[in-house]
Amino acid sequence: TQLLEQSPQFLSIQEGENLTVYCNSSSVFSSLQWYRQEPGEGPVLLVTVVTGGEVKKLKRLTFQFGDARKDSSLHITAAQPGDTGLYLCAGVASGTYKYIFGTGTRLKVLA
Amino acid sequence: NAGVTQTPKFQVLKTGQSMTLQCAQDMNHNSMYWYRQDPGMGLRLIYYSASEGTTDKGEVPNGYNVSRLNKREFSLRLESAAPSQTSVYFCASCSRSVVNTEAFFGQGTRLTVV
Repeated sequence: TQLLEQSPQFLSIQEGENLTVYCNSSSVFSSLQWYRQEPGEGPVLLVTVVTGGEVKKLKRLTFQFGDARKDSSLHITAAQPGDTGLYLCAGVASGTYKYIFGTGTRLKVLA
Repeated sequence: NAGVTQTPKFQVLKTGQSMTLQCAQDMNHNSMYWYRQDPGMGLRLIYYSASEGTTDKGEVPNGYNVSRLNKREFSLRLESAAPSQTSVYFCASCSRSVVNTEAFFGQGTRLTVV
């Protein structure tokens, strides 16, 4: 069983603070995706990381793929209330078609 | 462009009743997936279909069956609903390449089993 564990599970911070969310697995992934989900909606793709060690930036969001392609992190700089939501990592373990999601990190940014 | 369409959006069942959740995509994707999401949690994979004519179990398949009717449609059936199956169900279709997978989701079905 390929499991994607995210930490922390919940995060409540003040506007302007920085935060990091982690996504870890014991399995190797050919790529990992990060999604954000709003209440009542399906998840929406933020970014894909493909190469071990890769760093991608999306405005105030920085995504990194671990060198061994077993883990990833999402760093948000100067969080804003609009960043509030459920953040999910996801991936297809190498050699399968099983697309699994992480356990989720619920972020709340207070004004 | 509709993307992924799920029906129904809401459903209340009594314990032991059966129902089928319908899902259709118009993006010509080969892979389709069914997930359930419990409050505040991530998505757990129930069943998936890598291509037309194939289906496979995911992480939590017990109590469910699926049918890949054609390339567009992938349905999920609860034969005898139980309160533990109260959840939000999402259907997704995936575009895949060597370097990327992206899932496109329906609006979800909120199912309550009483």
